[in-house]
Amino acid sequence: DIQMTQSPSSLSASVGDRVTITCRASQSIGRYLNWYQQKPGKAPKLLISDASSLQSGVPSRFSGSGSGTDFTLTISSLQPEDFVTYYCQQSDSSPFTFGPGTKVDIQ
Amino acid sequence: QVQLQESGPGLVKPSQTLSLTCTVSGASISSGDYYWSWIRQPPGKGLEWIGYIYYSGSTYYNPSLKSRVNILVDTSKNQFSLKLSSVTAADTAVYYCARGVGATAGRMDYWGQGTLVTVSS
Repeated sequence: DIQMTQSPSSLSASVGDRVTITCRASQSIGRYLNWYQQKPGKAPKLLISDASSLQSGVPSRFSGSGSGTDFTLTISSLQPEDFVTYYCQQSDSSPFTFGPGTKVDIQ
Repeated sequence: QVQLQESGPGLVKPSQTLSLTCTVSGASISSGDYYWSWIRQPPGKGLEWIGYIYYSGSTYYNPSLKSRVNILVDTSKNQFSLKLSSVTAADTAVYYCARGVGATAGRMDYWGQGTLVTVSS
């Protein structure tokens, strides 16, 4: 199985800050990397697919980059609704695997 | 508007079989355009992909659960289901169904709201 890691596991920031979350795969996955946002008590929501493709309706402050084994999710200016948990997921090969998550807290 | 809705018992006894159904609306399982996945999340923990099914009945299961998992499809009802046998407390989780898209069908663009299943006597 492809193992996914994320860093940091949590971070504290303020409204308006720029934050970056890193995701690393245990082997090359090309650009088959997706980012999800999960609010408490809700299902994950697909934000970015194929490393950098923003899903329809997702604010442009979210962006993704990377290929191979190293990927990043950047939020350019944190808004109050962004203080939740983010997961990366590889869709290169089954079984599809998720990172452990990054929780973004209000500082 | 694509919607998925999980249903099934919220409490299952140890050693018994967990059974859940996902009802899809706004998309046809039999169109063959998507794969249909189950994912679970233990309380306070991360996400684990369980497996998926195609409209034809073709499946792929996570090897970590393969010996206990069965995913079925009922195209006449536009539903697919999950059966997980010999459950233990470690199977307590929120179970989600989702639609898989993309070249590998591993990108999950629509999710159900999730249903909590507790394994306890």
